Order: sequence, then C-alpha cells, then structure tokens
Amino acid sequence: DAKTTQPPSMDCAEGRAANLPCNHSTISGNEYVYWYRQIHSQGPQYIIHGLKNNETNEMASLIITEDRKSSTLILPHATLRDTAVYYCIVRGNAGNMLTFGGGTRLMVKP
Amino acid sequence: GAVVSQHPSRVICKSGTSVKIECRSLDFQATTMFWYRQFPKQSLMLMATSNEGSKATYEQGVEKDKFLINHASLTLSTLTVTSAHPEDSSFYICSATKTGLAGNTIYFGEGSWLTVV
Repeated sequence: DAKTTQPPSMDCAEGRAANLPCNHSTISGNEYVYWYRQIHSQGPQYIIHGLKNNETNEMASLIITEDRKSSTLILPHATLRDTAVYYCIVRGNAGNMLTFGGGTRLMVKP
Repeated sequence: GAVVSQHPSRVICKSGTSVKIECRSLDFQATTMFWYRQFPKQSLMLMATSNEGSKATYEQGVEKDKFLINHASLTLSTLTVTSAHPEDSSFYICSATKTGLAGNTIYFGEGSWLTVV
C-alpha cells in the first residue's frame, strides 16, 4: 500500500471548516484513499473513502486532486466533538488490512 | 450503530494471569479479522491476522504463544493474552471488513483497554 504524509497537528475554530491535507504521491491506479479518525480512548471510526471522484457523506467531504497524489478531508462545520486524530490511508479495494501512519491531531477550539 | 463490537471495553488483571478479548462482526460475516495494539500517544500497530478455520498469522516480533488468537466462527475472533505482564498493558483493537455496494470497508471495534497489575 502507498505511503501517506500528513501534518502532525492542526487547530480549527469551532463552527469553521476544517481542511485536513494528505499527500499520497506514490498511489497506484487501483488504490483508494480512506479516512478514519480516532477519538481518545476509542477505536478508529470510518469517515469516507474515494478513488478519484470527490465524495461527500453526512460526516465529511473528500477532495482528491486530478493526479490523485493528494487529497483533502473537509469537515464543513467543525465541533468540539471532532477533536481527534485523523488518519489518511491508501489501500487497494481487495486489501483487508490498514497500515496506520502518524495521522493529524485536530484540535477544535471554542 | 456499531458494526464491530469488542468485549470487554476495559479489563484489569493480575500479572501472570490470562485474559480474553472478544471481537464480533455484528451484521456480517468476516473470514478475516485483524488485531492491533496501540500504546499511549502512538499509532495502531498490527499484531496479527485472524483467519476463520485456520491458524492466525502474526507480524514480526509478536509472540504467537503469548497472544493466542482463535477465529472459531465467521462472526467471532478472540485474542487471549497469556501470562500477562505489566508491559502488555495497552489498548487492543480489532477490525473486520464488510463488503457492500461501495466496495470493501474496514470497520473497527471500540477497543479494549488492558491493564496488568
């Protein structure tokens, strides 16, 4: 699976959009971009995934660049409960295992 | 609601004893489940792959005789920490893959905190 690079930490004001970047320059054609988050003392929570088109669900939006070498997870209106470590992971759709990097620690502040 | 469930969420055991952690897929069958371990302020590290009906495969450096894995059914995998020591205290998390219209999505359990005293 391709390796990803994320900033170690970010701050965001409550109510504002949180934009979390991820670099995955070695991604291959059949690999998806997955985002998970881990709130303190809990298991990782699935957020969203995509291949090449932008995706949106009730939790977030995923913007993938045209060359697929980077992506951005957008939380449109961050709340204090969105404070967590966010992991960007690249894997093939047939794979069952996830390799976690350091992730981005998002702190949403009042 | 939860898709993958773990039990117990927290357990304290005495040094030298064994403790079992269960991982269940709630509304789907999982021929493969994965066990991770996470130390404070660190990322998740894969320990082993649990295979239904066959032996688990362990990552390098993980002792198979210490961390016994049993995947007896398509919805249940168990991790038993044998002869536990304080350094085994950690957050243990399992995952399972659910196949759907949007492809395969990996879901995680809530995690189990193990404290060995």
